[in-house]
Amino acid sequence: EDQVTQSPEALRLQEGESSSLNCSYTVSGLRGLFWYRQDPGKGPEFLFTLYSAGEEKEKERLKATLTKKESFLHITAPKPEDSATYLCAVRRGIQGAQKLVFGQGTRLTINP
Amino acid sequence: NAGVTQTPKFRILKIGQSMTLQCTQDMNHNYMYWYRQDPGMGLKLIYYSVGAGITDKGEVPNGYNVSRSTTEDFPLRLELAAPSQTSVYFCASSPQGAGREQYFGPGTRLTVT
Repeated sequence: EDQVTQSPEALRLQEGESSSLNCSYTVSGLRGLFWYRQDPGKGPEFLFTLYSAGEEKEKERLKATLTKKESFLHITAPKPEDSATYLCAVRRGIQGAQKLVFGQGTRLTINP
Repeated sequence: NAGVTQTPKFRILKIGQSMTLQCTQDMNHNYMYWYRQDPGMGLKLIYYSVGAGITDKGEVPNGYNVSRSTTEDFPLRLELAAPSQTSVYFCASSPQGAGREQYFGPGTRLTVT
């Protein structure tokens, strides 16, 4: 059964304190790993898609990396506005619509 | 572009009542999805559609129905609401093609009492 597990569940950092969020997955025929950001009371907002082990993508203070078993979201020198829940999802190897399997998310809080 | 819009934002239902959650997208996306999100849990796929007239079940379809008569609209119908359907519901859409990201609406918070 396809499974996505994110850790930690919650993380508190001081402004400027870098860290990483983890997404471990088991899926048959990975066709993409997605990172989303979700602010309280809002829908998820797309950040990155990764397709193959060794791939990296960056956006401002965020960098996502992918191995065969897990993905990391590295946050460098975070600011309070980076506080959000970060969701990881994998797409199975099925043609047609993207049937994503989501992890439970990591709630990140950046204190000023 | 409004993107993906959902109505209502909040709703309280009594057990056994029915309702329809509305979802509209103006991006001409072929694919549309309905998810539910329970506290501390990831999003679970309820139903999805690859185009007008074509729908299919996701992980948790029981107690729900959908239809897709146009490209823009993808309503979710709850029949005989139960407390287990208390959740936040998100509609999403994506362009056709592998690896294309999904765009989410703002969500509908539903409470069944």
